Amino acid sequence: DIQMTQSPASLSASLEEIVTITCQASQDIGNWLAWYQQKPGKSPQLLIYGATSLADGVPSRFSGSRSGTQYSLKISRLQVEDPGIYYCLQGYSAPYTFGAGTKLELK
Amino acid sequence: QVTLKESGPGILQPSQTLSLTCTFSGFSLSTYGMGVGWIRQPSGKGLEWLANIWWDDDKYYNPSLKNRLTISKDTSNNQAFLKITNVDTADTATYYCARTLIGGNVMDAWGQGASVTVSS
Repeated sequence: DIQMTQSPASLSASLEEIVTITCQASQDIGNWLAWYQQKPGKSPQLLIYGATSLADGVPSRFSGSRSGTQYSLKISRLQVEDPGIYYCLQGYSAPYTFGAGTKLELK
Repeated sequence: QVTLKESGPGILQPSQTLSLTCTFSGFSLSTYGMGVGWIRQPSGKGLEWLANIWWDDDKYYNPSLKNRLTISKDTSNNQAFLKITNVDTADTATYYCARTLIGGNVMDAWGQGASVTVSS
């Protein structure tokens, strides 16, 4: 199975701050990486797919990048509605695997 | 607009079979490239992918559940199903279904989730 190591496990940031979350894949997964945001009591919402493509309706302050087998989600200017838990997901090969999640809070 | 909704028994006893239904609209499981996946999340924990079924009836399972899973679909009624046999308390979770798109296996739309409790 492909392991997705996500970091940090949690972080606290201020409004307008830049936030970066990373996922390290245990092997090459190409661009088959997606990012999701989950708020309490809600289902995950797709933010980024194909490592770098913004999903429909997602604000442009969210962006994804890739460097080898490391993938990053960047929030360029943290907003009040952005706290939640963020997950990465590799869709390269089954079993598809999620990162453990990053809990983002407002400072 | 794509919508999905999960339904299930709510509570069941250990050793029983869990049957879940995903009823969806806005797409067809007979269309090339469309799929439905099942994912679960124990309370306060992370996400675990369980299974996927595709428009061509191809199926993929998470081997960690050791052959306990069966996924199926009813294309004419826009439904997908998941059965988990011999449940125990570790299967207590919220179960989600999600539309999956070929080319990245992106789960782009999710249902609201169905809470399942396994308890004697």
